[in-house]
Parts: sequence; structure tokens; C-alpha cells
Amino acid sequence: AQTVTQSQPEMSVQEAETVTLSCTYDTSESDYYLFWYKQPPSRQMILVIRQEAYKQQNATENRFSVNFQKAAKSFSLKISDSQLGDAAMYFCAYRSLYNNNDMRFGAGTRLTVKP
Amino acid sequence: NAGVTQTPKFRVLKTGQSMTLLCAQDMNHEYMYWYRQDPGMGLRLIHYSVGEGTTAKGEVPDGYNVSRLKKQNFLLGLESAAPSQTSVYFCASSWRGDFTDTQYFGPGTRLTVL
Repeated sequence: AQTVTQSQPEMSVQEAETVTLSCTYDTSESDYYLFWYKQPPSRQMILVIRQEAYKQQNATENRFSVNFQKAAKSFSLKISDSQLGDAAMYFCAYRSLYNNNDMRFGAGTRLTVKP
Repeated sequence: NAGVTQTPKFRVLKTGQSMTLLCAQDMNHEYMYWYRQDPGMGLRLIHYSVGEGTTAKGEVPDGYNVSRLKKQNFLLGLESAAPSQTSVYFCASSWRGDFTDTQYFGPGTRLTVL
């Protein structure tokens, strides 16, 4: 089964600075999807960004971008110009192309933004 | 649109009691999911449904049952609650036509079993 590892339980960043959250995954599949979700104190899971494994170009969404290294099975999230509202738990997730009803999540990284 | 809603937001049960969690979505999504979230762990899939009248087991289905009688609703039942089922439960839905199957989550239900 696929596994997702987030090695940083907690991270902190100064407001307006840049922070990178790490994620690695284990799979034998060649095609799949990767996601970053944000979970603020309200607990609701919010999609931040997604990446299709067949695409070599890294996904970007405004201040959020990813560094997808397929060979290394790495999928890190970069948050630029960090804002106080970015403070949350961030979860990396993997979805198989072949069994796309089974999403695997990492344990999460708690991001603190300091004013 | 309200998106995905969950009822109730909090619940405390005694061991052996039963309860049903309700998930509702107004986005006309075909797929719906139930996850549990435990401290230090990512979300784990309990059951899912690919359409009205269908259900299937996920990664951790034991102790739970589900039903999808209407397309917009997905119910999660605990017949005899155990302390190990203390967790935060999330419902999600997605559109079959979205090739990435991006899931939209509800706000969660915090369940404590004493």
C-alpha cells in the first residue's frame, strides 16, 4: 500500500517570509495524483494545490507552489509571502490513478506564522 | 451552496451506545467518503460510495456501517461504540467527472466514547 510521510511535525515562519513543507511518498505506480490540504482551527480540510504525476511542470496557485521530484518521490509545498491566515495543519495526500477511491494522507505539519 | 455539511459537530457516547453521523452535500457529487482523523496520523478512509445505493469498504471499516439512500446524503453508523472509535470524523465528496477526483471536505465531527 502507498504511504505518505511528512517528516516535520511542526514548522514556523515569520510573516512575509517563505517556508517549505516536506512530503515524501512510497509507491510502485507510475501515474497518480498528489495534493496538499490545509486544515485551519475550524478543522475543515481545504484543498491548497494538486499535481498530476504525469505532468513535469510544478503546480502553482498564487503564493503556493510545489516542488515535485518524481524520481525521488518527493512533493514539497512552498508558501511565499506567508500570512497570518496561513497558520494551520497541512496534509500531503496521495491518490492512485488505478484505485482512485483510496486517498492516503500524511500525518500533517503544523505551521505557525509569527507576526 | 453550503458545500459539505456534517451533523452533529460534537458527540459524547458511552461504550456500547449507538449513533449515526449525517453527511450532506449540495454539489451533486457522485462520490462520498467517510474518514477518521486520530492525533499524529493522517486521515484514514473508513467507507466510501461511488453513487446512490452503493457503498464500499476503505482502509479501516471495522465497527462502522454506512448507507447512501439518497445521492446527497451519506450516513455513518456506529452500532456499539468503543473507546477506540474516539476520533474526529470527516466526510468528503467529489465529482466523478473531475479526473483528479479532488475531494471537498466537511467541517468534521468530534466523537468521544467513554
